[in-house]
Amino acid sequence: DVVMTQTPVSLSVSLGGQVSISCRSSQSLVHNNGNTYLSWYLQKPGQSPQLLIYKVSNRFSGISDRFSGSGSGTDLTLKISRVEPDDLGVYYCGQGTQYPLTFGSGTKLEIK
Amino acid sequence: EVKLVESGGGLVQPGRSLKLSCAASGFSFNDYWMGWVRQAPGKGLEWIGEINQDSSTINYTPSLKDKFTISRDNAQNTLYLQMSKLGSEDTAIYYCARGTAGFFDYWGQGVMVTVSS
Repeated sequence: DVVMTQTPVSLSVSLGGQVSISCRSSQSLVHNNGNTYLSWYLQKPGQSPQLLIYKVSNRFSGISDRFSGSGSGTDLTLKISRVEPDDLGVYYCGQGTQYPLTFGSGTKLEIK
Repeated sequence: EVKLVESGGGLVQPGRSLKLSCAASGFSFNDYWMGWVRQAPGKGLEWIGEINQDSSTINYTPSLKDKFTISRDNAQNTLYLQMSKLGSEDTAIYYCARGTAGFFDYWGQGVMVTVSS
């Protein structure tokens, strides 16, 4: 199975600040078809996960441009700029390149 | 509006079976892969498996393949998860989600399954 390692486990940021979350995979996430199926999800307290980013850098419908994804191969990053109160929760990366699909263990974002 | 509503959860004794349902609306159900993801209390996300549009392809995470069965009824716009030989390790919130090329774009609110005597 592809192991997804997220860092940090938690982080605290001031409103208006910027954060980066790293997601490293144990194998390359580049599919045979050339696509990289790495996505990012946010699970707000008491809610189900919601899709933020898919295929590394594509923002899902309705997602603010304050969220951006980048990276390649085994090293992927989610950046959140101008942090707002509604951004708090747990962020997960997930890979869909290889079965079984796997997720990172999550990064908890707290607002200072 | 895309809507996914899970049902069928609850308290079940160890070793018993349970079947979850996920009612879909707001999109053309038979055009999409659908999947199940679970989350144990205080833990992260675990992919259970997925099913393609006409049920000809079903993929599972290996550790659950012999216990769980995913199916769908396109006429009823409903996804199912049949769970058997349940143990305490299966206690979790179960989410159904719409699949699109290796990711899940819409998720249900989840249904709690508690395995306990």
